[in-house]
Amino acid sequence: GESVGLHLPTLSVQEGDNSIINCAYSNSASDYFIWYKQESGKGPQFIIDIRSNMDKRQGQRVTVLLNKTVKHLSLQIAATQPGDSAVYFCADPGFQKLVFGTGTRLLVSP
Amino acid sequence: NAGVTQTPKFRVLKTGQSMTLLCAQDMNHEYMYWYRQDPGMGLRLIHYSVGEGTTAKGEVPDGYNVSRLKKQNFLLGLESAAPSQTSVYFCASSYSSTREAFFGQGTRLTVV
Repeated sequence: GESVGLHLPTLSVQEGDNSIINCAYSNSASDYFIWYKQESGKGPQFIIDIRSNMDKRQGQRVTVLLNKTVKHLSLQIAATQPGDSAVYFCADPGFQKLVFGTGTRLLVSP
Repeated sequence: NAGVTQTPKFRVLKTGQSMTLLCAQDMNHEYMYWYRQDPGMGLRLIHYSVGEGTTAKGEVPDGYNVSRLKKQNFLLGLESAAPSQTSVYFCASSYSSTREAFFGQGTRLTVV
């Protein structure tokens, strides 16, 4: 069945570094992906999305890359700040079900 | 604009008790979802609804029931709570499957 997975459970970076969080998906028919950020004790919040007719989409300090050939997504955070510390999920809302991966915990140290 | 509101925020149940979690959204969204999140794990989809009067099973539906009698509300029921249902429950809603979902703040449920 469909699945959305993440390669690393924890990513530790220093403040000011760029962070890259990866995500693999298995459903080749998936055409829309969403990245969410979840801070401790809160519900997930939308960060950025990308549709399959795009390879790249940029937001404020964040960029999402989509490689449909290898079914891989990445979220890049530029100049990572302590406020970026959270768990990041990629999600695939295909076939009406909004399915999440396990998540990557981003730890930002000063 | 309240967004997605979950009631209650915390609850402790004894094994075998029943309860209903309420999710309300004021964004006129068609899609609504219930998830559970256990420590160290991601969000697992319990049930979802693509419109008023419709419900469907997600990844982990056993032990839960849902109802969507009104478009703005999505109820999650536990008929006979078990300790394995101790978790944080999140509700979400979205306009469609190609738009982002908005989440509530969660309900922390403990079953003893």
